[in-house]
Amino acid sequence: GAGVSQSPSNKVTEKGKDVELRCDPISGHTALYWYRQSLGQGLEFLIYFQGNSAPDKSGLPSDRFSAERTGGSVSTLTIQRTQQEDSAVYLCASRRGGSDVYEQYFGPGTRLTVT
Amino acid sequence: SQQGEEDPQALSIQEGENATMNCSYKTSINNLQWYRQNSGRGLVHLILIRSNEREKHSGRLRVTLDTSKKSSSLLITASRAADTASYFCATGLAGGTSYGKLTFGQGTILTVHP
Repeated sequence: GAGVSQSPSNKVTEKGKDVELRCDPISGHTALYWYRQSLGQGLEFLIYFQGNSAPDKSGLPSDRFSAERTGGSVSTLTIQRTQQEDSAVYLCASRRGGSDVYEQYFGPGTRLTVT
Repeated sequence: SQQGEEDPQALSIQEGENATMNCSYKTSINNLQWYRQNSGRGLVHLILIRSNEREKHSGRLRVTLDTSKKSSSLLITASRAADTASYFCATGLAGGTSYGKLTFGQGTILTVHP
């Protein structure tokens, strides 16, 4: 079946512009995560959605970052007034949910370059 | 700060040799997972070990977990050139708003020479 998809795959933007990154999770997965990965680094947790619960925003690095998840499915990560340090690969993952299911399925990522 | 720390940062071996990567973490966990990443893009889940398990196998992969030392190891036996990738350990917590959230280490870059 279809995996997690993300769009665009690459985005180049000028410093100060806003960008929107999209994630389509696997159908039926109730949990959705956004991570950021800088060149040669590990993954940095950004935000987590689980069903209808309030999202865990504890990883968002500044108030320029926000995310929403509409209808419990598609999610959009928005970065306002982009800065060069925002350049990274942004990865989305979904999880089936339930009390004993932990594996996360990752999308291919969006490579964001801020010039 | 990152929960998991992988060791070594980079590993270079010949095809057919075994590769061992280690991961240490700081706080109590519910489970520990290993992921593989090719070419800096999406990660692929390899194996999960729960906190009450000590060893787990999946094909050529063997994972151990020592909760007293807060460490785990991933062994890839009879490595192949196609195993060349970055390998990450990720620790999972259960309960509350942290449920299902993973904390990743910095990764080990494995290169398998044909």
